[in-house]
Amino acid sequence: DAGITQSPRYKITETGRQVTLMCHQTWSHSYMFWYRQDLGHGLRLIYYSAAADITDKGEVPDGYVVSRSKTENFPLTLESATRSQTSVYFCASGLRLAYEQYFGPGTRLTVT
Amino acid sequence: KQEVTQIPAALSVPEGENLVLNCSFTDSAIYNLQWFRQDPGKGLTSLLLIQSSQREQTSGRLNASLDKSSGRSTLYIAASQPGDSATYLCAVSSFGNEKLTFGTGTRLTIIP
Repeated sequence: DAGITQSPRYKITETGRQVTLMCHQTWSHSYMFWYRQDLGHGLRLIYYSAAADITDKGEVPDGYVVSRSKTENFPLTLESATRSQTSVYFCASGLRLAYEQYFGPGTRLTVT
Repeated sequence: KQEVTQIPAALSVPEGENLVLNCSFTDSAIYNLQWFRQDPGKGLTSLLLIQSSQREQTSGRLNASLDKSSGRSTLYIAASQPGDSATYLCAVSSFGNEKLTFGTGTRLTIIP
């Protein structure tokens, strides 16, 4: 199916564990983004990537690691999960940084 | 630093009425402004994108306007329907920082 997919859709993990959220897009968009959405904060950019092997920090990058070895995939890793990282995570893609972005369905992550 | 505000946080309107959603931003040097729709438990869907040089954009029953000098954008929805119930977010891309800055959204409920 064409579009942007995220997996898993729901995840519960314990404090201190490593967890990886997956994002896959089929449009061959150059840019990919990871956001988190929290009540009262709206969407905040964690990391973004302009192309394979090119990544950059967003507004709230601490505690997260990204990689992009292939254009279509942009995984987000929480190296040692904390309760403050409980959130809904959205992946998005787009042709250019400031242009229209297409969002995935989100991953609801709970850190206990 | 660009800040984006959407007031009110929630709005209820009877079906059939026309309505206006508001978005304000602090830095008028914007590249573009986008309006998104988010249904509960889903990702964001792009509705309209207004370039800095434009005053408005229309798509079906939706019309978005932009007034950079006053730091405001409005999303006008004509003849509202229950299917319009969702959270509407605006996001701004600024010159010098093209990454999107999101507002916290207005949750719209259309009452049948």
